[in-house]
Amino acid sequence: QKEVEQNSGPLSVPEGAIASLNCTYSDRGSQSFFWYRQYSGKSPELIMSIYSNGDKEDGRFTAQLNKASQYVSLLIRDSQPSDSATYLCAVNGHTGKLIFGQGTTLQVKP
Amino acid sequence: EPEVTQTPSHQVTQMGQEVILRCVPISNHLYFYWYRQILGQKVEFLVSFYNNEISEKSEIFDDQFSVERPDGSNFTLKIRSTKLEDSAMYFCASSEDGNYGYTFGSGTRLTVV
Repeated sequence: QKEVEQNSGPLSVPEGAIASLNCTYSDRGSQSFFWYRQYSGKSPELIMSIYSNGDKEDGRFTAQLNKASQYVSLLIRDSQPSDSATYLCAVNGHTGKLIFGQGTTLQVKP
Repeated sequence: EPEVTQTPSHQVTQMGQEVILRCVPISNHLYFYWYRQILGQKVEFLVSFYNNEISEKSEIFDDQFSVERPDGSNFTLKIRSTKLEDSAMYFCASSEDGNYGYTFGSGTRLTVV
Protein backbone atom coordinates (compact mmCIF):
# COMPACT_ATOMS: atom_id res chain seq x y z
CA GLN A 1 0.00 0.00 0.00
CA LYS A 2 1.57 3.26 -1.12
CA GLU A 3 1.25 5.85 1.62
CA VAL A 4 1.78 9.54 2.10
CA GLU A 5 1.98 10.64 5.72
CA GLN A 6 1.52 14.07 7.21
CA ASN A 7 1.06 15.33 10.72
CA SER A 8 -2.58 16.43 10.84
CA GLY A 9 -1.83 19.29 13.24
CA PRO A 10 -3.09 21.85 13.83
CA LEU A 11 0.16 23.72 13.40
CA SER A 12 -0.19 27.14 14.92
CA VAL A 13 2.24 29.96 14.12
CA PRO A 14 2.14 33.72 14.74
CA GLU A 15 1.73 36.10 11.84
CA GLY A 16 5.09 36.81 10.20
CA ALA A 17 6.68 33.56 11.33
CA ILE A 18 7.90 30.65 9.21
CA ALA A 19 5.55 27.68 8.97
CA SER A 20 7.19 24.31 8.29
CA LEU A 21 5.08 21.46 6.95
CA ASN A 22 6.40 17.95 6.48
CA CYS A 23 5.47 14.87 4.51
CA THR A 24 6.91 11.38 4.05
CA TYR A 25 6.06 8.89 1.36
CA SER A 26 6.55 5.15 1.03
CA ASP A 27 6.97 4.54 -2.71
CA ARG A 28 10.61 5.00 -3.76
CA GLY A 29 9.47 5.09 -7.39
CA SER A 30 7.58 8.34 -6.87
CA GLN A 31 8.62 10.98 -9.36
CA SER A 32 6.63 14.15 -8.78
CA PHE A 33 5.69 15.88 -5.57
CA PHE A 34 3.10 18.55 -4.95
CA TRP A 35 1.74 20.78 -2.26
CA TYR A 36 -1.89 21.76 -2.46
CA ARG A 37 -3.72 24.23 -0.28
CA GLN A 38 -7.33 23.47 0.64
CA TYR A 39 -9.63 25.87 2.36
CA SER A 40 -12.57 24.37 4.21
CA GLY A 41 -15.24 23.16 1.79
CA LYS A 42 -13.17 24.08 -1.26
CA SER A 43 -11.13 22.15 -3.78
CA PRO A 44 -7.36 21.63 -3.60
CA GLU A 45 -5.31 24.42 -5.17
CA LEU A 46 -1.81 23.68 -6.44
CA ILE A 47 0.79 25.91 -4.82
CA MET A 48 4.11 24.11 -5.39
CA SER A 49 5.54 21.26 -7.39
CA ILE A 50 9.00 19.72 -7.10
CA TYR A 51 10.62 16.97 -9.12
CA SER A 52 14.28 16.79 -8.12
CA ASN A 53 16.23 16.79 -4.88
CA GLY A 54 16.87 20.14 -3.27
CA ASP A 55 14.94 23.32 -2.79
CA LYS A 56 12.51 25.15 -5.02
CA GLU A 57 11.38 28.64 -4.15
CA ASP A 58 8.31 30.54 -5.35
CA GLY A 59 7.60 33.78 -3.55
CA ARG A 60 7.03 33.06 0.14
CA PHE A 61 6.93 29.30 -0.47
CA THR A 62 9.88 26.90 -0.56
CA ALA A 63 9.48 23.21 -1.28
CA GLN A 64 12.25 20.81 -0.27
CA LEU A 65 12.69 17.27 -1.53
CA ASN A 66 14.97 14.53 -0.24
CA LYS A 67 14.36 11.34 -2.19
CA ALA A 68 16.88 9.31 -0.19
CA SER A 69 14.91 10.04 2.98
CA GLN A 70 11.56 9.97 1.14
CA TYR A 71 10.75 13.34 2.61
CA VAL A 72 9.09 16.47 1.25
CA SER A 73 8.58 19.72 3.09
CA LEU A 74 7.00 23.10 2.54
CA LEU A 75 8.18 26.29 4.19
CA ILE A 76 5.95 29.34 4.24
CA ARG A 77 7.82 32.52 5.11
CA ASP A 78 6.15 35.62 6.56
CA SER A 79 2.99 33.63 7.29
CA GLN A 80 -0.27 35.54 6.93
CA PRO A 81 -3.70 34.82 8.42
CA SER A 82 -4.88 34.15 4.85
CA ASP A 83 -2.44 31.20 4.76
CA SER A 84 -4.62 29.44 7.34
CA ALA A 85 -5.81 26.33 5.53
CA THR A 86 -5.12 22.62 5.21
CA TYR A 87 -1.98 21.80 3.24
CA LEU A 88 -2.05 18.56 1.30
CA CYS A 89 1.06 16.73 0.23
CA ALA A 90 0.55 14.69 -2.93
CA VAL A 91 2.85 12.25 -4.68
CA ASN A 92 2.70 11.10 -8.29
CA GLY A 93 4.23 7.78 -9.25
CA HIS A 94 4.71 6.75 -12.84
CA THR A 95 1.02 6.10 -13.47
CA GLY A 96 -0.18 9.66 -13.21
CA LYS A 97 -2.49 9.32 -10.23
CA LEU A 98 -1.89 11.42 -7.16
CA ILE A 99 -1.74 9.90 -3.71
CA PHE A 100 -2.62 12.44 -1.06
CA GLY A 101 -1.68 12.70 2.56
CA GLN A 102 -4.22 13.46 5.25
CA GLY A 103 -3.23 17.12 5.24
CA THR A 104 -1.82 19.45 7.88
CA THR A 105 -4.05 22.20 9.21
CA LEU A 106 -2.16 25.48 9.55
CA GLN A 107 -3.45 28.27 11.76
CA VAL A 108 -1.74 31.66 11.47
CA LYS A 109 -2.63 33.86 14.41
CA PRO A 110 -2.64 37.66 13.99
CA GLU B 1 -6.88 31.63 -15.86
CA PRO B 2 -8.44 28.45 -17.34
CA GLU B 3 -10.75 26.56 -15.01
CA VAL B 4 -12.20 23.11 -14.59
CA THR B 5 -15.96 23.53 -14.24
CA GLN B 6 -18.14 21.11 -12.29
CA THR B 7 -21.91 20.90 -12.06
CA PRO B 8 -23.94 20.72 -9.98
CA SER B 9 -22.20 22.17 -6.94
CA HIS B 10 -24.47 20.21 -4.62
CA GLN B 11 -26.64 17.18 -5.33
CA VAL B 12 -28.95 15.42 -2.92
CA THR B 13 -30.19 12.01 -3.99
CA GLN B 14 -32.04 9.09 -2.49
CA MET B 15 -30.23 5.85 -1.85
CA GLY B 16 -30.44 3.58 -4.87
CA GLN B 17 -30.86 6.40 -7.37
CA GLU B 18 -28.47 7.08 -10.23
CA VAL B 19 -26.50 10.32 -10.32
CA ILE B 20 -24.37 11.90 -13.00
CA LEU B 21 -21.72 14.40 -12.05
CA ARG B 22 -20.50 16.65 -14.82
CA CYS B 23 -17.17 18.26 -15.53
CA VAL B 24 -15.77 20.47 -18.26
CA PRO B 25 -11.97 20.09 -18.20
CA ILE B 26 -9.54 22.72 -19.44
CA SER B 27 -9.75 22.68 -23.23
CA ASN B 28 -6.17 21.70 -24.15
CA HIS B 29 -5.82 19.11 -21.39
CA LEU B 30 -5.65 15.46 -22.35
CA TYR B 31 -5.79 13.65 -19.01
CA PHE B 32 -8.87 13.62 -16.83
CA TYR B 33 -9.47 12.40 -13.33
CA TRP B 34 -12.09 11.93 -10.68
CA TYR B 35 -11.24 12.07 -6.99
CA ARG B 36 -13.46 12.06 -3.95
CA GLN B 37 -13.11 13.31 -0.41
CA ILE B 38 -15.32 12.02 2.36
CA LEU B 39 -15.78 14.67 5.04
CA GLY B 40 -12.70 14.86 7.24
CA GLN B 41 -10.78 12.28 5.22
CA LYS B 42 -8.09 12.16 2.54
CA VAL B 43 -8.59 13.06 -1.08
CA GLU B 44 -8.85 9.65 -2.80
CA PHE B 45 -8.20 8.73 -6.40
CA LEU B 46 -11.10 7.14 -8.28
CA VAL B 47 -10.19 6.97 -11.95
CA SER B 48 -8.00 8.42 -14.67
CA PHE B 49 -9.03 8.75 -18.31
CA TYR B 50 -6.91 9.32 -21.38
CA ASN B 51 -7.50 8.89 -25.09
CA ASN B 52 -11.15 8.01 -24.53
CA GLU B 53 -10.51 5.15 -22.19
CA ILE B 54 -9.87 4.45 -18.53
CA SER B 55 -6.12 4.31 -17.87
CA GLU B 56 -6.31 3.44 -14.19
CA LYS B 57 -8.97 2.95 -11.54
CA SER B 58 -8.93 2.40 -7.82
CA GLU B 59 -10.61 -0.28 -5.72
CA ILE B 60 -13.32 2.25 -4.92
CA PHE B 61 -14.25 2.49 -8.59
CA ASP B 62 -16.35 -0.65 -8.76
CA ASP B 63 -19.11 -1.66 -11.18
CA GLN B 64 -21.40 1.02 -9.76
CA PHE B 65 -19.18 3.71 -11.24
CA SER B 66 -18.59 4.66 -14.85
CA VAL B 67 -17.04 7.56 -16.71
CA GLU B 68 -17.69 8.99 -20.13
CA ARG B 69 -16.49 11.72 -22.37
CA PRO B 70 -19.67 12.01 -24.47
CA ASP B 71 -18.42 14.93 -26.56
CA GLY B 72 -15.29 17.03 -26.93
CA SER B 73 -15.81 19.02 -23.78
CA ASN B 74 -17.71 17.13 -21.07
CA PHE B 75 -16.40 14.43 -18.76
CA THR B 76 -18.96 12.67 -16.57
CA LEU B 77 -18.98 10.37 -13.57
CA LYS B 78 -22.03 8.17 -13.17
CA ILE B 79 -22.93 6.31 -10.00
CA ARG B 80 -25.58 3.75 -10.90
CA SER B 81 -27.15 2.94 -7.55
CA THR B 82 -26.00 5.31 -4.85
CA LYS B 83 -25.26 4.20 -1.31
CA LEU B 84 -25.07 6.24 1.87
CA GLU B 85 -21.29 5.83 1.88
CA ASP B 86 -21.04 7.52 -1.52
CA SER B 87 -21.75 10.83 0.22
CA ALA B 88 -18.63 12.92 -0.39
CA MET B 89 -17.14 15.79 -2.33
CA TYR B 90 -16.30 14.66 -5.85
CA PHE B 91 -13.54 16.53 -7.62
CA CYS B 92 -12.82 16.44 -11.31
CA ALA B 93 -9.30 17.33 -12.42
CA SER B 94 -7.46 17.67 -15.67
CA SER B 95 -3.84 17.76 -16.69
CA GLU B 96 -2.03 18.68 -19.87
CA ASP B 97 0.40 15.79 -19.84
CA GLY B 98 -0.37 13.56 -16.85
CA ASN B 99 2.91 14.14 -15.06
CA TYR B 100 2.53 17.54 -13.59
CA GLY B 101 0.14 19.06 -11.11
CA TYR B 102 -3.51 18.93 -11.94
CA THR B 103 -6.08 21.65 -11.92
CA PHE B 104 -9.06 20.65 -9.79
CA GLY B 105 -12.62 21.75 -10.30
CA SER B 106 -14.60 23.31 -7.48
CA GLY B 107 -16.27 20.00 -6.68
CA THR B 108 -19.73 18.51 -6.37
CA ARG B 109 -20.99 17.75 -2.90
CA LEU B 110 -23.03 14.57 -3.15
CA THR B 111 -25.37 13.79 -0.30
CA VAL B 112 -27.13 10.41 -0.35
CA VAL B 113 -30.12 10.17 1.97
